[in-house]
Amino acid sequence: AQSVAQPEDQVNVAEGNPLTVKCTYSVSGNPYLFWYVQYPNRGLQFLLKYITGDNLVKGSYGFEAEFNKSQTSFHLKKPSALVSDSALYFCAVRGVYNFNKFYFGSGTKLNVKP
Amino acid sequence: EAGVTQSPTHLIKTRGQQATLRCSPISGHTSVYWYQQALGLGLQFLLWYDEGEERNRGNFPPRFSGRQFPNYSSELNVNALELEDSALYLCASSHSEGGFLYEQYFGPGTRLTVT
Repeated sequence: AQSVAQPEDQVNVAEGNPLTVKCTYSVSGNPYLFWYVQYPNRGLQFLLKYITGDNLVKGSYGFEAEFNKSQTSFHLKKPSALVSDSALYFCAVRGVYNFNKFYFGSGTKLNVKP
Repeated sequence: EAGVTQSPTHLIKTRGQQATLRCSPISGHTSVYWYQQALGLGLQFLLWYDEGEERNRGNFPPRFSGRQFPNYSSELNVNALELEDSALYLCASSHSEGGFLYEQYFGPGTRLTVT
């Protein structure tokens, strides 16, 4: 079975500090991993994905994520947080045998304080 | 390029009624997905349509149904509404199977409130 876990409901960080939003996955086979962001009262926006290749993936708005196979993790990172980064972040894994089925984590609320 | 659109933005219904939600995918996308985002429950996969056929459904009762039209737009119907159906319903689209590199693009959602 495929699944992702986001162990933190909420992450608080001061503006200008680095941020990390954690995600771990469980999947048989090679994972296809995604990060999405949801701003208040809006749909999800795609941030970045890992399919294969370099373990460090760069995405939109200065975000990046590091794929770690031994720790089955795909943490989202940004070197310097902005207040405007405050939003709900979802990690997702694509089904291995059913490519069109996405499994989303429960979401992590990121609060960036000025 | 226009994004995924959904209508209506908000929908208020009473228990026992039926709700119809609509979604138009990005041009060129043939797959449409429906998700339910209830408070505190994250995103729950509802349905996947591709080329007019229902390809997969999540763990929801049969009163959640839908269809996909020849122009790839889609409709989600919820019959016999219950209070716990109150949620944000998100539609997403992507290229179809075989394009496993393709991410899903989401619409802004329809907020359904059941009273």
